[in-house]
Amino acid sequence: QQPVQSPQAVILREGEDAVINCSSSKALYSVHWYRQKHGEAPVFLMILLKGGEQKGHDKISASFNEKKQQSSLYLTASQLSYSGTYFCGTVNDNNAGNMLTFGGGTRLMVKP
Amino acid sequence: DVKVTQSSRYLVKRTGEKVFLECVQDMDHENMFWYRQDPGLGLRLIYFSYDVKMKEKGDIPEGYSVSREKKERFSLILESASTNQTSMYLCASSAPTGGIYEQYFGPGTRLTVT
Repeated sequence: QQPVQSPQAVILREGEDAVINCSSSKALYSVHWYRQKHGEAPVFLMILLKGGEQKGHDKISASFNEKKQQSSLYLTASQLSYSGTYFCGTVNDNNAGNMLTFGGGTRLMVKP
Repeated sequence: DVKVTQSSRYLVKRTGEKVFLECVQDMDHENMFWYRQDPGLGLRLIYFSYDVKMKEKGDIPEGYSVSREKKERFSLILESASTNQTSMYLCASSAPTGGIYEQYFGPGTRLTVT
């Protein structure tokens, strides 16, 4: 079963913050985040492992709540380059390794 | 840089035709994947392969088959294309780096079945 992402779409002005959530009904081993710009391939952003710490890269960070099987992606002081569709991919606890199950995606548009 | 290439960016086929989508990666990755991407549904795994000649079904394998005769090449086959297989098809590869399996995606093939 696919993880559920929310919101499905969000529109921001440059400099505003956003949070994208990813929720699973299964116990998770890890959560991956990818961003896909229009017409391009998805690109890996970061991975959060069970028992790991919150990750961050520049002004994009993420957290993983193992007990709730949820992850959140935080985009701070958004830039135009953040526009795209964000996908979370989950690895279930009993299938640690390669197989990712992706959510439906969250479309983010950052306006000037 | 890891490079994953797909044989076509756009493809138009007729119902009932046999369709081959090819994917090649240049980083000696063990694992390769085929996804289809549809609006609102995200990326859904069709098949993956963890070694030459080895394959596993993903979430939506019906109507598809795969072939992996060489490590760098993974093919997706639509035995008899149908209109509901019109979609964007993405190939990816991965290998563990420090225990992390980051997936690298190709540019995608937009397939239209008429």
